[in-house]
Amino acid sequence: SQQGEEDPQALSIQEGENATMNCSYKTSINNLQWYRQNSGRGLVHLILIRSNEREKHSGRLRVTLDTSKKSSSLLITASRAADTASYFCPHNTNAGKSTFGDGTTLTVKP
Amino acid sequence: DTGVSQNPRHKITKRGQNVTFRCDPISEHNRLYWYRQTLGQGPEFLTYFQNEAQLEKSRLLSDRFSAERPKGSFSTLEIQRTEQGDSAMYLCASSGGGREAGVDEQFFGPGTRLTVL
Repeated sequence: SQQGEEDPQALSIQEGENATMNCSYKTSINNLQWYRQNSGRGLVHLILIRSNEREKHSGRLRVTLDTSKKSSSLLITASRAADTASYFCPHNTNAGKSTFGDGTTLTVKP
Repeated sequence: DTGVSQNPRHKITKRGQNVTFRCDPISEHNRLYWYRQTLGQGPEFLTYFQNEAQLEKSRLLSDRFSAERPKGSFSTLEIQRTEQGDSAMYLCASSGGGREAGVDEQFFGPGTRLTVL
C-alpha cells in the first residue's frame, strides 16, 4: 500500500463552497506537495510546502503542514466546477521518489 | 520550454511484444522520474535518474523493465514481453535546476497510456 493517505477518498460540494482535504504520512519528510489531476490527464503541481513551513497560500489554495501529527491539509476556497479533479499529496523523504496515495476525488457541482 | 513531453501518448500492443516510451524533461532539470498509474490509484514510483545515473529502482520494476538516460537529457523506458498487467499510464517527471521552481518540485508530463491486448 502507498504511504501517503488522502482523506476523504471522495468529496462532493456545490460551486462556491470551500473544499478541505487532508493528507497523512508515516515517516519524516523533507517536503510535501499537492497535485491536481483531471481525469485521464497528467498531474499539475499546485503547492510545495517544506518541512519547516506551517502554512502556504497560492490564490484560492491554502495548505497547512503539521509535522508533529504527520498531516497536511489543502483548502480550496470558493470552489469552481473546473476544480473537479483528483488531488494528491506526495511527500519526499530525500531528493528521489515521491510517494503517492490514491488521492481525493473532488466533484464540484455547478 | 514547453514542459515535460512524452511520446507516444498512446500505445496499443499485443501481449509478448516489446514497447519503448520516451520522456523529454524540462531543460536544465537534472533529475528524471518514471511512475506508473492504474485507474483509480495514485502514481507508483518506478525509478529515477540524477543526470545519467540511475539512482533508485522500485521492486515494481521487474527484469522486463529497463530505463536509460544515456546523456542525462531524455530518457527511455522499455518493457519487454509485455503482459496484460502492464496496461497503465506511464508518467515521467523532472525536477532540479529549473528556473521555475525549487529543487524538489516535480513537473509531470502528460503520460503514455499503454494498453496490452
